[in-house]
Amino acid sequence: EAQVTQNPRYLITVTGKKLTVTCSQNMNHEYMSWYRQDPGLGLRQIYYSMNVEVTDKGDVPEGYKVSRKEKRNFPLILESPSPNQTSLYFCASRIGGRNTEAFFGQGTRLTVV
Amino acid sequence: RKEVEQDPGPFNVPEGATVAFNCTYSNSASQSFFWYRQDCRKEPKLLMSVYSSGNEDGRFTAQLNRASQYISLLIRDSKLSDSATYLCVAPEDAGNMLTFGGGTRLMVKP
Repeated sequence: EAQVTQNPRYLITVTGKKLTVTCSQNMNHEYMSWYRQDPGLGLRQIYYSMNVEVTDKGDVPEGYKVSRKEKRNFPLILESPSPNQTSLYFCASRIGGRNTEAFFGQGTRLTVV
Repeated sequence: RKEVEQDPGPFNVPEGATVAFNCTYSNSASQSFFWYRQDCRKEPKLLMSVYSSGNEDGRFTAQLNRASQYISLLIRDSKLSDSATYLCVAPEDAGNMLTFGGGTRLMVKP
C-alpha cells in the first residue's frame, strides 16, 4: 500500500530536549516536505527536499533541521524544542513538478512544555 | 500577506443544499491548483485538481477564474459526510513549494 508514515503520532517533551520525528514514504517520490499546522495559520511549510541531499527552507524553518540521506526518509529534527513549536506536524511526499498531488502522513502532535 | 486566501467559515448548511467556496491567489504565474479535504485532526487528502478547463467529479465541481485570480469549489446535494475543512492549494515558483490556504470549514446539518 502506497503511504507516508510518520512516527511518533503523539509526543510530549520538555523544552530543550532534542527530538526527531521520522518520515518514510514507499512511493519513490522525489519531493518530500514538512509542514506545521496551527489554528488560524493553516499549513505552513518548514523544509522541503527535491531529492537525496537536496533540501531547502520553507516559510518557517527557524528551530528545525532536516536531512535527506535516502530517498524514502526525511526526518525532522528539533535540536532544542521550545513551547512555540507545539503544533501538529505533517510530512508529505510527491513525484515533483507543478501539477502533482501531495500525499500526507497521518501527522504528529507535538507538545513542548 | 497570504499567497492563498480562503474564507475560514464555518459554512453551516442543511443536507441536500448546494454550497460554494472561493479561494483567491496572488501568484498570477500559478497554472494549476488543488482542493484538499481535511477531517478534524487528520491528514489532508486530495479532493480535486483544478486546471484551466475546470473539473467535475460527481457532486463536486471546481472552476478556475484566471482574470480574477480565484478558484471555486461547488458541492451539490451536500451530505453529512461532506463536513470537513477544504483547503485550497497553489504551487509556487517551479512547483517546489505548495502554498496552502487557511481552509474553509463546512458543517452539513441533518
